[in-house]
Amino acid sequence: QVQLVQSGAEVKKPGASVKVSCKASGYTFTSYGISWVRQAPGQGLEWMGWISAYNGNTNYAQKLQGRVTMTTDTSTSTAYMELRSLRSDDTAVYYCARGGDYGDYDWFDPWGQGTLVTVSS
Amino acid sequence: QSVLTQPPSASGTPGQRVTISCSGSSSNIGSNTVNWYQQLPGTAPKLLIYSNNQRPSGVPDRFSGSKSGTSASLAISGLQSEDEADYYCAAWDDSLNAFFGTGTKVTVL
Repeated sequence: QVQLVQSGAEVKKPGASVKVSCKASGYTFTSYGISWVRQAPGQGLEWMGWISAYNGNTNYAQKLQGRVTMTTDTSTSTAYMELRSLRSDDTAVYYCARGGDYGDYDWFDPWGQGTLVTVSS
Repeated sequence: QSVLTQPPSASGTPGQRVTISCSGSSSNIGSNTVNWYQQLPGTAPKLLIYSNNQRPSGVPDRFSGSKSGTSASLAISGLQSEDEADYYCAAWDDSLNAFFGTGTKVTVL
């Protein structure tokens, strides 16, 4: 079955960077994009961006431009999301999800289990 | 701040029909399809409806979606206790950014 498994929880200090991984299985990795979505404690969902697993093209949320980088490793079917210059309001559960290919498979399905990133001094 | 507005809460008794609205604009819902997600407490979101009104395999036909103009709706008929969750609409904007709705908490009384 299609599955996305994310890396474990992280605790970071303000100003640091975090890199979360998302390993895909059960489908041809390069046939779909990978999107990243975060959810602050008690809050709603926020789309962060998308990367094509086929050619590495990216599309980032305007709010995060310059602080986020999404990459993929097709040899291991793994996607990565790096967020730099962390602030306390970046504390959230970070999800990867298959899809988000605008105009085509533009929904997110399935989702990873989530990775809690805590930013605290 | 989300550009898609949902009511913060909705409720019903078992067996009732509950409807959740999602209001957007011409640059998002008005020109793109709408997807819906269900998030059970403490779990990752799950796709419930895609392309306005399509159900993925495994989603009960009690769930249905519709879209008209710059608004969309999710209906849950025959409400069950396991439907108690947060529900989010989502749509792309012409800026090629995706947006989620503000979320609606459904309570089964």
